[in-house]
Amino acid sequence: GAVVSQHPSWVICKSGTSVKIECRSLDFQATTMFWYRQFPKQSLMLMATSNEGSKATYEQGVEKDKFLINHASLTLSTLTVTSAHPEDSSFYICSALTRETQYFGPGTRLLVL
Amino acid sequence: GNSVTQMEGPVTLSEEAFLTINCTYTATGYPSLFWYVQYPGEGLQLLLKATKADDKGSNKGFEATYRKETTSFHLEKGSVQVSDSAVYFCALSDRDGNKLVFGAGTILRVKS
Repeated sequence: GAVVSQHPSWVICKSGTSVKIECRSLDFQATTMFWYRQFPKQSLMLMATSNEGSKATYEQGVEKDKFLINHASLTLSTLTVTSAHPEDSSFYICSALTRETQYFGPGTRLLVL
Repeated sequence: GNSVTQMEGPVTLSEEAFLTINCTYTATGYPSLFWYVQYPGEGLQLLLKATKADDKGSNKGFEATYRKETTSFHLEKGSVQVSDSAVYFCALSDRDGNKLVFGAGTILRVKS
């Protein structure tokens, strides 16, 4: 149990375009989901906390207008990287909270050319 | 603020060797403690957790005991396999599971 999926698993896009990443909890409902970013050979950096039915809470230094988060249902949160630039290339990982534990998706690798 | 410190890697072991990855933490209150494992190119998988002092988390031969007196949560396995090669992250959270704070991660390489 507690399976989280992400889609797509990897994406390549041109600079200036927008990319949407989906995070789904497959066998449980999650009021709260989280979005992280991981740079090569580094730990995870929390970007924002996504709460179903309300606005996301962003960590300091994360641009909310660039990284749009929508948590429209208890099983789906989306992260949209708007007007992507090469410096946004990274590994994005989501997690969903249940039973006081975060369960992680497999990650989405984004490459912006 | 809360923080987690892990031993630096990479840790390189031969198959069937004993593994210890040290983890210490600084936190206010009574955090929950976790070990997550990340295989190459994948997301994180929960390996084990402990929610109160003296609790022992265990899974797949891995163990870790929540030591409040030493603020530690060291990961151990009696006999590692090549398939255990991965990055291991120690983490803590508040009691509700929010605000997960990660250590830097320790690379484990097991040679046959």
